[in-house]
Order: sequence, then C-alpha cells, then structure tokens
Amino acid sequence: DTAVSQTPKYLVTQMGNDKSIKCEQNLGHDTMYWYKQDSKKFLKIMFSYNNKELIINETVPNRFSPKSPDKAHLNLHINSLELGDSAVYFCASSQLGLANTGELFFGEGSRLTVL
Amino acid sequence: SQQGEEDPQALSIQEGENATMNCSYKTSINNLQWYRQNSGRGLVHLILIRSNEREKHSGRLRVTLDTSKKSSSMLITASRAADTASYFCATDLYNFNKFYFGSGTKLNVKP
Repeated sequence: DTAVSQTPKYLVTQMGNDKSIKCEQNLGHDTMYWYKQDSKKFLKIMFSYNNKELIINETVPNRFSPKSPDKAHLNLHINSLELGDSAVYFCASSQLGLANTGELFFGEGSRLTVL
Repeated sequence: SQQGEEDPQALSIQEGENATMNCSYKTSINNLQWYRQNSGRGLVHLILIRSNEREKHSGRLRVTLDTSKKSSSMLITASRAADTASYFCATDLYNFNKFYFGSGTKLNVKP
C-alpha cells in the first residue's frame, strides 16, 4: 500500500496551459503539504493544509491554487503555466501535535515540464 | 531565510569509508530531521533530533546537534554503494510546523 500517492508522475505541457496534480494519503494524517524541488534540488515549501484548512502559504503566485476536499487529499492546480514552473512537485503528510514528531512522509513526486 | 543548508554539496567516497555531512540553520528550531532521497524518488525520513538533544544514533547513522552553533552533522559509518543518494536536513520553526529544507548533500559511494 502506498502511503502518499501522487498523480501524474510526469506531466509535459505548453506554456499558458492549466494543469492539476493530485495527492492522496492513507496514513490518517491531519496535515498535508506541497513542496517544489527545483533543478538544483532545493526543496521549497509551498502550502500546508491541516484538516482541510490552509495553514501555510509561502508567498506562492496566485496561479497556484491548492484544494483539500478532505484531510486525505490535497490537490494542486496551476493556471497559466510558465517555463519557471518546471520542477518536481512533492506532496507530503505528517501528524503534528505535541505527541508527534512531525516526520514527513513524501510521495514519489510529479515532474512537471513546461515547454 | 530559515532553511537548512547542507555542506558539502557533493561527496564521493569508497565503500567502507565513513561519510560526514553538515547542516547549518539560522534561527531557533524545535527539532531537526535528516532525510534521504534516491534519484528520481521521494524523500524518506532517516532520523530526528530534538533541540534539547545533543546526539542520536540509528543503525549506522550518528547525528549531532549543536544549538549554540546552529548546526548539525550526520555521520554514516561503513558506507555501502546502496547509500548513494542525496541527503537533506529539515528544520522546523518552533510552533510554526513549517519544515525547511536545503539543496542537500549528494553522496556517491563507489563500490
């Protein structure tokens, strides 16, 4: 059983298009994240949701819109794609709180290439 | 910014040797974690050390934390070719539940 699964794994699209990446976790965690990993492997936090509520928005352009229909799912929709959006997008989940360490569980990543 | 920064960026060693990688950060943290990323895969949690701990062991991993210097190091002993991967440290701002990563140390273990 895959704990955190993302689809699609690869996405190639033209500039200006709109695309979505989906993420699901079966760990029962309350918190989910989107991270962006650039070509230099730098991993940057984008968003975090806790129980369907947005708790972190790290100054991401409003072309990026996360949506959490329930606490097991966090999707990322990107409008008007630009060349600079090309990256690997990782979904992660964790169980925060005093009794938990906040260890992150990552999906396998979605490689987005904008042409 | 808050993110952890790993050093060196790349490290190449022979199988059996020890590998040491370092992480520096800028502000007070709740805990520091180390992750591993195999090529083309997601990150996998290795070990966590809390801000009130100085040293932690897990198998062949030894992690130290010096909060006065805002730095951590991870030692992998008796490395194996299968340890070839990128290693990242992640720091979280106390009470903010944000996890910041750097760009990792790319370790190559030659058989």
